[in-house]
Amino acid sequence: GEDVEQSLFLSVREGDSSVINCTYTDSSSTYLYWYKQEPGAGLQLLTYIFSNMDMKQDQRLTVLLNKKDKHLSLRIADTQTGDSAIYFCAENRYGGATNKLIFGTGTLLAVQP
Amino acid sequence: KAGVTQTPRYLIKTRGQQVTLSCSPISGHRSVSWYQQTPGQGLQFLFEYFSETQRNKGNFPGRFSGRQFSNSRSEMNVSTLELGDSALYLCASSLNQGEKLFFGSGTQLSVL
Repeated sequence: GEDVEQSLFLSVREGDSSVINCTYTDSSSTYLYWYKQEPGAGLQLLTYIFSNMDMKQDQRLTVLLNKKDKHLSLRIADTQTGDSAIYFCAENRYGGATNKLIFGTGTLLAVQP
Repeated sequence: KAGVTQTPRYLIKTRGQQVTLSCSPISGHRSVSWYQQTPGQGLQFLFEYFSETQRNKGNFPGRFSGRQFSNSRSEMNVSTLELGDSALYLCASSLNQGEKLFFGSGTQLSVL
């Protein structure tokens, strides 16, 4: 189907690792993105991965991509209260000629002090 | 470098009116896209512009339109507003089509 799926809610304690999961639909998607949205704000691009990569690490963020299962995950190490936000995964399934992204439903990450 | 700038930040309109939203992309970015965000439907693609031409359009009625100017700035227009048009409208820009998208803070439109 069309939907990019994410779990709705994740609660972790400060200092723990958070793992946010996403299942996308099109194996031909070229880019996969993670965005963060804080209350009343727009979308902040956190990181992205090309479809020919399995893993990408950027400071506290690690993205894992399993193309066979169409599964994408975002791991946040040493989660802080400032990481509390909604996280969206998105796929560009139409190749490099367009900016039409299909977004997941978003995962609300709550970090307990 | 300044980010994507959207104006106004908030807007209140009544049914039947029309509205124009404005977006200034990151300097040097040539592609501008618009998205609608609602609690019920999530983030949905409206349209994208590159070199003053609409390159792609989402599944929205003709009341939704847009344009891009020679300096890459973009506007979107919604005519004959309906209650269901209440949403956060997000503009995003990228250097070229198919590249990383950077979003503005959005315009929160409320239709009464």
